[in-house]
Amino acid sequence: EAGVTQSPTHLIKTRGQQATLRCSPISGHTSVYWYQQALGLGLQFLLWYDEGEERNRGNFPPRFSGRQFPNYSSELNVNALELEDSALYLCASSLGPPGRADTQYFGPGTRLTVL
Amino acid sequence: EDQVTQSPEALRLQEGESSSLNCSYTVSGLRGLFWYRQDPGKGPEFLFTLYSAGEEKEKERLKATLTKKESFLHITAPKPEDSATYLCAVPPNAGGTSYGKLTFGQGTILTVHP
Repeated sequence: EAGVTQSPTHLIKTRGQQATLRCSPISGHTSVYWYQQALGLGLQFLLWYDEGEERNRGNFPPRFSGRQFPNYSSELNVNALELEDSALYLCASSLGPPGRADTQYFGPGTRLTVL
Repeated sequence: EDQVTQSPEALRLQEGESSSLNCSYTVSGLRGLFWYRQDPGKGPEFLFTLYSAGEEKEKERLKATLTKKESFLHITAPKPEDSATYLCAVPPNAGGTSYGKLTFGQGTILTVHP
C-alpha cells in the first residue's frame, strides 16, 4: 500500500513569490494535516482538512492557506514568501477526524527554500 | 495547553549499549501517545501508539512503555542504523481548539557508534 506522497521534493523560491505544495494521502484516509518543521525547531501544526473542509489551523498568518480536493488530496499555498518560511513542510493523513488517537502517517516532506 | 518534553536532547551510545529515552507530558486527559522516528531531512516514521498507562509495545530492538505522566522508549542492543531523532507526540482533545493537532516534543537525537 502506498504511503503519503508529497511533491515537489524540493522547491526554491524568492521573497515575495508564492509556493504551492501538494500531498496525496494514504488510500482510504480522509483527513490531511500540514506541519512546518524549520531547521532546529520542532513540528508546528499548520492546517487540518477533512472531507474537503478546513477544520483547524495553527498560529500561522493567513498567507498560509490550502484546500482539500474531492479525492482527498491537498494543496498548501504560501503567499508573499518570507525568508523565515524556509523549512521542511510535512503532510500527514489519518483515517478520519482524530478520534481516540487516530495515527497520523507522514509523507517525506517538501523542502522549501526562500532566497 | 498540552505540553510534551523529551530528554535527553541528545544521546550517544556504543553499538550494543542499551538505554532509554524519556517523554513526559502534561495533558488535560491522556488520549494516547505516539512515537515516531525521523531521519534527517525526511518525514517522521510511525513506530507505536500507546493508549493507556501500563501498556507496552515492542518492535525489533525498541520497546515503548506508558505511565500516567511519561513514556519511555527502551532501545536494546542498538545498532548504528538506529541512529535518528525519536519524537513523541500526544493527540488532541476531540472538539477542543487543538482538534487535529499533534503536540510534539522536541525530540531526542540518538547516535549509535559502531
